[in-house]
Amino acid sequence: GIQVEQSPPDLILQEGANSTLRCNFSDSVNNLQWFHQNPWGQLINLFYIPSGTKQNGRLSATTVATERYSLLYISSSQTTDSGVYFCAPQNYGGSQGNLIFGKGTKLSVKP
Amino acid sequence: NAGVTQTPKFQVLKTGQSMTLQCAQDMNHEYMSWYRQDPGMGLRLIHYSVGAGITDQGEVPNGYNVSRSTTEDFPLRLLSAAPSQTSVYFCASSYSMFYEQYFGPGTRLTVT
Repeated sequence: GIQVEQSPPDLILQEGANSTLRCNFSDSVNNLQWFHQNPWGQLINLFYIPSGTKQNGRLSATTVATERYSLLYISSSQTTDSGVYFCAPQNYGGSQGNLIFGKGTKLSVKP
Repeated sequence: NAGVTQTPKFQVLKTGQSMTLQCAQDMNHEYMSWYRQDPGMGLRLIHYSVGAGITDQGEVPNGYNVSRSTTEDFPLRLLSAAPSQTSVYFCASSYSMFYEQYFGPGTRLTVT
């Protein structure tokens, strides 16, 4: 199945800083989703992004499927951005078509 | 819409006990799934369903049963709990397997 590697595993930022989280995957994918797990454990879908770039407020994501990576950009970070960010690629013909989750990047934003 | 709901939020079991984790969604989603999350790891798929009456195993199905008699509900059963099943369990749903997935709030299970 697809192997997913997220980097960095941990990231500490000062409020207002920008950051880039990376997700590498080992095989071709048809789809990729980014999730944020807040400190209370709730998982929120941030982006559904099989290819190209999408933006939602201070967050944007880019997937380059041909080069097997996706990036999540956080600009002007806020303390509410803290938590764990997961990428989950999906190959329709692999793992029965289900999402495969990386181990996440833990982000801590300090005031 | 309530979205995806899970009950209970917390549960403590003794080894060998059985229980059912409940999951319901009110979005008329065909696809539903159960994941477990262990410290320092991502989410691992336990079982999933692409529609009422259809279920299949994911990556870590041993020790768990599921059924899907309605579109709305997808309960997860632990027949004989073991300490290795201590984890946080998440239910998710989506319009189909290849659409955005939405997660419930999770159930934190401890098996002693």
